[in-house]
Amino acid sequence: NAGVTQTPKFRVLKTGQSMTLLCAQDMNHEYMYWYRQDPGMGLRLIHYSVGEGTTAKGEVPDGYNVSRLKKQNFLLGLESAAPSQTSVYFCASSYGSFAGGVTDTQYFGPGTRLTVL
Amino acid sequence: SQQGEEDPQALSIQEGENATMNCSYKTSINNLQWYRQNSGRGLVHLILIRSNEREKHSGRLRVTLDTSKKSSSLLITASRAADTASYFCATDRGALRKLIWGLGTSLAVNP
Repeated sequence: NAGVTQTPKFRVLKTGQSMTLLCAQDMNHEYMYWYRQDPGMGLRLIHYSVGEGTTAKGEVPDGYNVSRLKKQNFLLGLESAAPSQTSVYFCASSYGSFAGGVTDTQYFGPGTRLTVL
Repeated sequence: SQQGEEDPQALSIQEGENATMNCSYKTSINNLQWYRQNSGRGLVHLILIRSNEREKHSGRLRVTLDTSKKSSSLLITASRAADTASYFCATDRGALRKLIWGLGTSLAVNP
């Protein structure tokens, strides 16, 4: 089992460029999450998904879009990158029922370090 | 907003000593989870404690939960240099289908 993988590991963008971060998990998890982590800010939730074809906004969704077309993949898009989006991005997944109830252990990917110049 | 609040923000100890970190939260929860993050790496799950549990152990880790005080503590016994990391607590409030994260405690274990 590869667990949760993220591509790319590093990326440098210029302001206004776009890119897509890919997260893949092979644990058949229903729930998937995108976080950003900045110094002194802890983890902040960008968007999340509680099942294939569903997405929901987290704390800091502006400037990002997501898609969950397949259960195992969760894509995070930046349409027009800004320097404020310089951060480390983490994807995570967990078991969970579509009906909700309990959010179990989250499994994290290794992160993507993004710099926007 | 971050519900969990870890205390202290930073902790520095000598190898072999015990390290205690605390987490407080504001609303009722299903469970509380502790994670470790080594510098530059993804978070790794340590322990999950459910709201009807008071204490759990895993190796050198001991977690307690006091729902009346809305607080939890993580104790690492006989610490090692390899325990140097940031430790985060996260709470599950059920219907949200997501975790609420604290800002973390940075632990340095000096050889």
